Amino acid sequence: ILNVEQSPQSLHVQEGDSTNFTCSFPSSNFYALHWYRWETAKSPEALFVMTLNGDEKKKGRISATLNTKEGYSYLYIKGSQPEDSATYLCAFLTSGTYKYIFGTGTRLKVLA
Amino acid sequence: DTGVSQNPRHKITKRGQNVTFRCDPISEHNRLYWYRQTLGQGPEFLTYFQNEAQLEKSRLLSDRFSAERPKGSFSTLEIQRTEQGDSAMYLCASSLFGTDQDTQYFGPGTRLTVL
Repeated sequence: ILNVEQSPQSLHVQEGDSTNFTCSFPSSNFYALHWYRWETAKSPEALFVMTLNGDEKKKGRISATLNTKEGYSYLYIKGSQPEDSATYLCAFLTSGTYKYIFGTGTRLKVLA
Repeated sequence: DTGVSQNPRHKITKRGQNVTFRCDPISEHNRLYWYRQTLGQGPEFLTYFQNEAQLEKSRLLSDRFSAERPKGSFSTLEIQRTEQGDSAMYLCASSLFGTDQDTQYFGPGTRLTVL
């Protein structure tokens, strides 16, 4: 059974703090790793898609890295703002079946 | 309309009733996914279609659940004889498989409450 795990489950930080979360996934049958951001009462929104070992992606204050050999990805937020408060989901896309397996998410709350 | 839409947004039903939800994907997208999300969990895969073909259905999905995508465009998800454990948010997503590593675009979801 393929499993995707995210840690921590939830996180409270002060405005201006930098933070990071982890997504762990199987190191075999890798096709792509997606990060989604899910704000309350909205739909999940794609942040990054990562395919190559060593990939680094950046969007504003948010960046992500990928290690496919050891099966993990980190998401970093620099200088957190209250509007960053959301659940951050990672999803592992398997090769062959091209099926998505989602993690349970990391719920981030940024306190003003 | 440039996004994925779902109807209804909320549904309250009594145990034992049948319910049907609709998802309209982004028009050029060939893949359509259904997920269920319960409190504190990430989206749980239910089933997906490529065009009108249902390619996979979760083994966790009971036979009370059925989904169709008759013309490869919109999809319906029906739950028969609803149970309280079916209460959840039902999310639909679509993608254009073969581009952008299959990035999914999600609808707003249908929240089902079974009394």
